[in-house]
Amino acid sequence: DVKVTQSSRYLVKRTGEKVFLECVQDMDHENMFWYRQDPGLGLRLIYFSYDVKMKEKGDIPEGYSVSREKKERFSLILESASTNQTSMYLCASRTGRHLGNTIYFGEGSWLTVV
Amino acid sequence: QQQVKQSPQSLIVQKGGIPIINCAYENTAFDYFPWYQQFPGKGPALLIAIRPDVSEKKEGRFTISFNKSAKQFSLHIMDSQPGDSATYFCAASMSNFGNEKLTFGTGTRLTIIP
Repeated sequence: DVKVTQSSRYLVKRTGEKVFLECVQDMDHENMFWYRQDPGLGLRLIYFSYDVKMKEKGDIPEGYSVSREKKERFSLILESASTNQTSMYLCASRTGRHLGNTIYFGEGSWLTVV
Repeated sequence: QQQVKQSPQSLIVQKGGIPIINCAYENTAFDYFPWYQQFPGKGPALLIAIRPDVSEKKEGRFTISFNKSAKQFSLHIMDSQPGDSATYFCAASMSNFGNEKLTFGTGTRLTIIP
């Protein structure tokens, strides 16, 4: 079974803190994604990566950055957390080798910024 | 902008009924339409997907109906059960090998009452 692991399930951070959300997948997938989920807004793409050291902005990249130094690991970074970044963050991965392949999600990281 | 519009936002159906969730899209270049199911505290998981060369696809009790001319697709759940209570997301993407991004709808919270 594909496993996408988000190491931190629940975090509480203060405004202005730097926040790291880590994600690891165990299926040698090329593509990895970070989404944000908010009630009434669905899932919105923050950043994605097609391969190691490659990254592309999604629909809402402002206030976020990412790092992909190893194929299995994709990190989301909030340089200076703000209260409007309180949300549930979902990491996902997919093989890039075929069209329309399934995206596999982690269980989410709940971030509260106070 | 909202490229995939999903309705209703929430839905309550009696056990055995047939909940129907609708999605409409704008971009005619979309050619892959998956539905994801999310239980509380979990990440979304692929339920069923369709491509526009067919008008209907069934997998067990779940059916996608697709209307290419109307740019609409819907999910039907036959003989619904309380265990189907979850949030359902429709999504759409364009085939662009190695460069696909899913655009999600805003989600439907489905409750099946015994």
